[in-house]
Amino acid sequence: GAGVSQSPSNKVTEKGKDVELRCDPISGHTALYWYRQSLGQGLEFLIYFQGNSAPDKSGLPSDRFSAERTGGSVSTLTIQRTQQEDSAVYLCASTPGETQYFGPGTRLLVL
Amino acid sequence: AQSVTQPDIHITVSEGASLELRCNYSYGATPYLFWYVQSPGQGLQLLLKYFSGDTLVQGIKGFEAEFKRSQSSFNLRKPSVHWSDAAEYFCAVVPEGGRRALTFGSGTRLQVQP
Repeated sequence: GAGVSQSPSNKVTEKGKDVELRCDPISGHTALYWYRQSLGQGLEFLIYFQGNSAPDKSGLPSDRFSAERTGGSVSTLTIQRTQQEDSAVYLCASTPGETQYFGPGTRLLVL
Repeated sequence: AQSVTQPDIHITVSEGASLELRCNYSYGATPYLFWYVQSPGQGLQLLLKYFSGDTLVQGIKGFEAEFKRSQSSFNLRKPSVHWSDAAEYFCAVVPEGGRRALTFGSGTRLQVQP
């Protein structure tokens, strides 16, 4: 069946611009996670959505980062006023319970 | 706070040789344990997982892992490596019951020599 999909696959932007990253989870998966993978920091948790509950935003690095999940399905991660240190691969994962399944990621480069 | 240690940053093995990638975790109880693989430019693919029961678990692509509670380890093994196994391997943990963010090790990059 279809896996987790993410778009765009690559994004190049200029410092100070806003970007939106999209994640389409596996159908029926109730929970969705965003992670960031960067050279210096490895894989870091950003935010977690579970059903209709309030998201766990404890991993967001600054208030420039936000995310929403509409209709319990698609999620968008928004980074405002991008900085060079935001350059990383942003990974989305969905899960029906305990096991997380990852998308291919969005590679973000901030010039 | 829980943590995961993968002591080997980079490993090189010859094709056909056996492989063992090490993973140690620090956590107050037995967490759920996972191994993921990431090929260049790709996302993370689940190799195998351990929740409870038999401490030797089988995964995809001929991989297996053994949970050793006394050593807080969950090492990944493969008896005969193929060139296509070259990738980065991540060990990850989540508190028992899941439904929380994964904590990842720093990864081990595997090179396979012909």
